[in-house]
Amino acid sequence: AQKVTQAQTEISVVEKEDVTLDCVYETRDTTYYLFWYKQPPSGELVFLIRRNSFDEQNEISGRYSWNFQKSTSSFNFTITASQVVDSAVYFCALSEAGSGYSTLTFGKGTMLLVSP
Amino acid sequence: DAGVTQSPTHLIKTRGQQVTLRCSPKSGHDTVSWYQQALGQGPQFIFQYYEEEERQRGNFPDRFSGHQFPNYSSELNVNALLLGDSALYLCASSLLRTTSNEQFFGPGTRLTVL
Repeated sequence: AQKVTQAQTEISVVEKEDVTLDCVYETRDTTYYLFWYKQPPSGELVFLIRRNSFDEQNEISGRYSWNFQKSTSSFNFTITASQVVDSAVYFCALSEAGSGYSTLTFGKGTMLLVSP
Repeated sequence: DAGVTQSPTHLIKTRGQQVTLRCSPKSGHDTVSWYQQALGQGPQFIFQYYEEEERQRGNFPDRFSGHQFPNYSSELNVNALLLGDSALYLCASSLLRTTSNEQFFGPGTRLTVL
């Protein structure tokens, strides 16, 4: 069965520090998508990135970057020069072809606290 | 272009009561999924509706039921509420025929059961 593990429950950093959020997944499917979502205190899940299982290229978007490694089943997320506005809960999620990509399996989330 | 909307924002019920939550999908989307997010946990998939039928279901009891209307909006019904049903209920919409079936989430309904 599919599973997503975010081992870091909470991370606290000071503004301008770099921070990496870890995500490890399990799936029997060879075709799947991986996602990162941000959940601010308001509760709405904000989509950050989607990655196809066939595309292992790392991606950078501004201060955000993602490192996808199939060999270790990991999809880690790095925020460079963190800001107070980055404070939120971050979720990694998996969607499999076997379910028609119908369902998202989420990790338990990592709460990031960025202090000034 | 309106995103996913949900109502109500907050709801307080007592044990044993029944509740109905509502969701309107993003314009152009035809599929609605519901998730339950308990405090401190990640969202858990409840079920998905497409063409007014339940397409997939997660590991939730029959007390949880849903409906999709011809305009693609959806309702989530929970009967015989338990204290453990207190959670944030998230609705997500998507377009089924897209490759990744990317889901867009609403702001959620926070249900408190006393």
